[in-house]
Amino acid sequence: KQEVTQIPAALSVPEGENLVLNCSFTDSAIYNLQWFRQDPGKGLTSLLLIQSSQREQTSGRLNASLDKSSGRSTLYIAASQPGDSATYLCAVNQGGSEKLVFGKGTKLTVNP
Amino acid sequence: GAVVSQHPSWVICKSGTSVKIECRSLDFQATTMFWYRQFPKQSLMLMATSNEGSKATYEQGVEKDKFLINHASLTLSTLTVTSAHPEDSSFYICSAPRDMSSYEQYFGPGTRLTVT
Repeated sequence: KQEVTQIPAALSVPEGENLVLNCSFTDSAIYNLQWFRQDPGKGLTSLLLIQSSQREQTSGRLNASLDKSSGRSTLYIAASQPGDSATYLCAVNQGGSEKLVFGKGTKLTVNP
Repeated sequence: GAVVSQHPSWVICKSGTSVKIECRSLDFQATTMFWYRQFPKQSLMLMATSNEGSKATYEQGVEKDKFLINHASLTLSTLTVTSAHPEDSSFYICSAPRDMSSYEQYFGPGTRLTVT
């Protein structure tokens, strides 16, 4: 059974700092991995999707990497801003299935 | 980007009543939609897969007679919570894959259900 773990559970940083969020998964047979952002009481916003054949994806200040063989992904946020404060969720899509298995998320607070 | 909507955004109901939540894909067709439940400070847990034109597939531990799913069209799936109890109070979110080659999921804004 696939399990997704995110570390740390919570992170507080000063504005402008670069930071890394970690995601690990137990079964490397994945189709893709997605990073989402969730604001309190809201739905999910897709940030980046990495296919299993890819090593990384970039969008603006965000960079996500994938090491499928070791079951790890990182989300790098450059020059963090207070508006980045949210919970960041990592989810994997099992090969041959559209189902997503989520981690519990990392709650990020960027202090002005 | 693809848009998925949910209605209502929040609902309060009394124990024993039924509540229907709608999930719509606004600019694409979705033969499959997913229903998730999220308890406070917890991650999303998949409840069931909604399939257009056929029965929904439920995850282990989810009561199919309590959580009725109907995928009425290629743009609409509904989740009905029957005989609601306070422990059913949760945040319900639906999703749909738009691109069948990448399986990228697009999520609705969620529905907050409170059962009193």
